[in-house]
Amino acid sequence: DAKTTQPPSMDCAEGRAANLPCNHSTISGNEYVYWYRQIHSQGPQYIIHGLKNNETNEMASLIITEDRKSSTLILPHATLRDTAVYYCIVPNFGNEKLTFGTGTRLTIIP
Amino acid sequence: DTGVSQDPRHKITKRGQNVTFRCDPISEHNRLYWYRQTLGQGPEFLTYFQNEAQLEKSRLLSDRFSAERPKGSFSTLEIQRTEQGDSAMYLCASSSKGPRKNIQYFGAGTRLSVL
Repeated sequence: DAKTTQPPSMDCAEGRAANLPCNHSTISGNEYVYWYRQIHSQGPQYIIHGLKNNETNEMASLIITEDRKSSTLILPHATLRDTAVYYCIVPNFGNEKLTFGTGTRLTIIP
Repeated sequence: DTGVSQDPRHKITKRGQNVTFRCDPISEHNRLYWYRQTLGQGPEFLTYFQNEAQLEKSRLLSDRFSAERPKGSFSTLEIQRTEQGDSAMYLCASSSKGPRKNIQYFGAGTRLSVL
């Protein structure tokens, strides 16, 4: 899998936008970027994925740079329930498994 | 609830005992995955099935570990002669085939404590 680099931790005030960066400079042209999160004592939860266009769903937005070497996950109005570890994953094309790394621990502050 | 179900949620066992965990995937999903997660680390891939066929196993899956998915529906993960290093959260996930195969839906996990 393409190696990803994320900051180990971030804080964000409740109600503000949380912007979580991820570097994936070795990404190949046909590899997608996936974001998952894991709330304490739960299994990981899929958030969003994208190839090269920006994506938005009911949970978040994903901004991928034009060279595709980095991306940012945006939670537009963070709530306390968004406190979790966020994982940026780039599986090798055709690879079935997810390689999680250590992710970013996001803490939403009241 | 039609999500991925794992049983039991918690298991405490003594070293040397055998344990078995069960995973029931989302019904229409043909792919099923097992991961292991230790404290402070992200989940690590163990193995995956497409229908009843086990198609990939990690080197983490020692010969004491065996996984089955006999009818392509639920799966079991057995650990024989447990060791203290086996203490971890065991996560199961499922996905559908095709371009959405990397959208995996996870269960809540089985937490194993080996005393």
